[in-house]
Amino acid sequence: GEDVEQSLFLSVREGDSSVINCTYTDSSSTYLYWYKQEPGAGLQLLTYIFSNMDMKQDQRLTVLLNKKDKHLSLRIADTQTGDSAIYFCAEGPKAGTALIFGKGTTLSVSS
Amino acid sequence: EADIYQTPRYLVIGTGKKITLECSQTMGHDKMYWYQQDPGMELHLIHYSYGVNSTEKGDLSSESTVSRIRTEHFPLTLESARPSHTSQYLCASRGQSYNEQFFGPGTRLTVL
Repeated sequence: GEDVEQSLFLSVREGDSSVINCTYTDSSSTYLYWYKQEPGAGLQLLTYIFSNMDMKQDQRLTVLLNKKDKHLSLRIADTQTGDSAIYFCAEGPKAGTALIFGKGTTLSVSS
Repeated sequence: EADIYQTPRYLVIGTGKKITLECSQTMGHDKMYWYQQDPGMELHLIHYSYGVNSTEKGDLSSESTVSRIRTEHFPLTLESARPSHTSQYLCASRGQSYNEQFFGPGTRLTVL
């Protein structure tokens, strides 16, 4: 079945790099996504990667995709306290369906 | 920035009341979704719509109902609220560029 797996928690110190990992199961997914959710808010699209790409960089964010292993990662360089949030990995969509979301990784940044 | 709105943002009501959570988007998206999310927890898809007059139940069984009479509007109704309905409800619509889903800010519902 379809499933997206993420580790639940990550704790880093301010200024360090954070790496959040995700595995997915649907090799036909066209795009893969990273969303950020701050307390009490909706989900904000951080970045996405097309399935035929290996890497995408956007300022402090680097997305790596290993399609063979169905592994996606999000690296945040120079992590700040404002980066503390829940990060959701998502895959999809198949035609006409919703994205499949992981359970989210809570990133805690200490100063 | 996505133009998708939810009202109210916060709602506290008593058991047995009928409530409607509003969701509107101005992007002309056909596909819209409702998710239920407990604090710090995963998202559960409860309803979705592919367009006007099209609604489907999602993966998680829900006692709520939805309607889609206009493209931009996708309200969710609870006929008789119970404490077990206490949760955050997130509305989303799907874009056409990268098939991404845009989320509203959510409605946090508390049923006493």
